[in-house]
Amino acid sequence: SQKIEQNSEALNIQEGKTATLTCNYTNYSPAYLQWYRQDPGRGPVFLLLIRENEKEKRKERLKVTFDTTLKQSLFHITASQPADSATYLCAPQETYKYIFGTGTRLKVLA
Amino acid sequence: EPEVTQTPSHQVTQMGQEVILRCVPISNHLYFYWYRQILGQKVEFLVSFYNNEISEKSEIFDDQFSVERPDGSNFTLKIRSTKLEDSAMYFCASSDPSPSSRSKRGASDTQYFGPGTRLTVL
Repeated sequence: SQKIEQNSEALNIQEGKTATLTCNYTNYSPAYLQWYRQDPGRGPVFLLLIRENEKEKRKERLKVTFDTTLKQSLFHITASQPADSATYLCAPQETYKYIFGTGTRLKVLA
Repeated sequence: EPEVTQTPSHQVTQMGQEVILRCVPISNHLYFYWYRQILGQKVEFLVSFYNNEISEKSEIFDDQFSVERPDGSNFTLKIRSTKLEDSAMYFCASSDPSPSSRSKRGASDTQYFGPGTRLTVL
């Protein structure tokens, strides 16, 4: 069955460092993979989308990579700030049923 | 900036009662969605809606659930006879796909989520 795995444990990093979050998927051949941010009690907010024919996508301090051979996407936040503390969700898309991973909780320590 | 709105923010109901959750999507968007998130768990897709009909639904979206766009602005989720396990945060989302964003293998349009309705079934 299709499965999306994100680090279930929280990731704590020091302010100014680069945070790297992992999304692995199995039994999927997604054409697109999206990353969202979710704050407690709020709806997800779209951050970045990467297509299967793209290796890397950047937006300001964010970078996403997509390795369809490894079935993995990495999400990087450079020069992290306490305001980046949130849960980050990945959503590989193969159909029009949008499936989200469980998310990784990131805490950036001042 | 336009945003998706949802009402009420919190709904408390007794088991077996019907509830209607309301959403106002972004005005020029064409696709509408409902998701739910049980406390501490992942966001789960329920249904997508386009051109006044359901385009996709998940296994969760059984006969107890229905969606409707009763007028040009609202999009509603009805749960006919609520169960304790329906307690969750319900999110509405909308998207405005460009012609190139839809293919046989999914969509690349950005979904904009509302703030959610917390449903508590007692």
